[in-house]
Amino acid sequence: QKEVEQNSGPLSVPEGAIASLNCTYSDRGSQSFFWYRQYSGKSPELIMSIYSNGDKEDGRFTAQLNKASQYVSLLIRDSQPSDSATYLCAGWRGGYNKLIFGAGTRLAVHP
Amino acid sequence: EAQVTQNPRYLITVTGKKLTVTCSQNMNHEYMSWYRQDPGLGLRQIYYSMNVEVTDKGDVPEGYKVSRKEKRNFPLILESPSPNQTSLYFCASSQLLPGSEAFFGQGTRLTVV
Repeated sequence: QKEVEQNSGPLSVPEGAIASLNCTYSDRGSQSFFWYRQYSGKSPELIMSIYSNGDKEDGRFTAQLNKASQYVSLLIRDSQPSDSATYLCAGWRGGYNKLIFGAGTRLAVHP
Repeated sequence: EAQVTQNPRYLITVTGKKLTVTCSQNMNHEYMSWYRQDPGLGLRQIYYSMNVEVTDKGDVPEGYKVSRKEKRNFPLILESPSPNQTSLYFCASSQLLPGSEAFFGQGTRLTVV
């Protein structure tokens, strides 16, 4: 079992729709979670971080964390073609001083 | 401008020829790490460093070496590259705090023939 798991996709959504990206993790010791966006051939860039159970909103993005279910999600409202990218979920394992990444979910927003 | 700089961006080399990929950050971050990214496998950590002269293995350290003689620099060394080290490599830095954002370099695409 991978420590951080994501559906590889592609997830295809029409422009203007809500894109829902999901991630599960196996280590209950993970303390913080991050969503990175990565365009093809480029470096990852941070979209959202979340540390506590519940929702965190930033513009069109909402991150959700449920530690009991070991589940993290990212919602993108009003999806745009420019949101088409691979989204990486990552969890910080404090005891091991490591940021563990999932394999990423490819999102395609079509006009 | 806060940044992590990797060099070179692209490199084609032959099996067994030692190479070094440099990484430098200007944010005074304690934590630096190297990742490789392969299709379907995501980012896998090679080595990390929590401060000067403190380095440790990540998940896939075989065939790699690192050093941290200065806080800003964290070079990745391949003593005898092999074709299975063909990959996209990223250096990253962050503060040594659980919720800190990791800043990534531009990436180095390495091909070993």
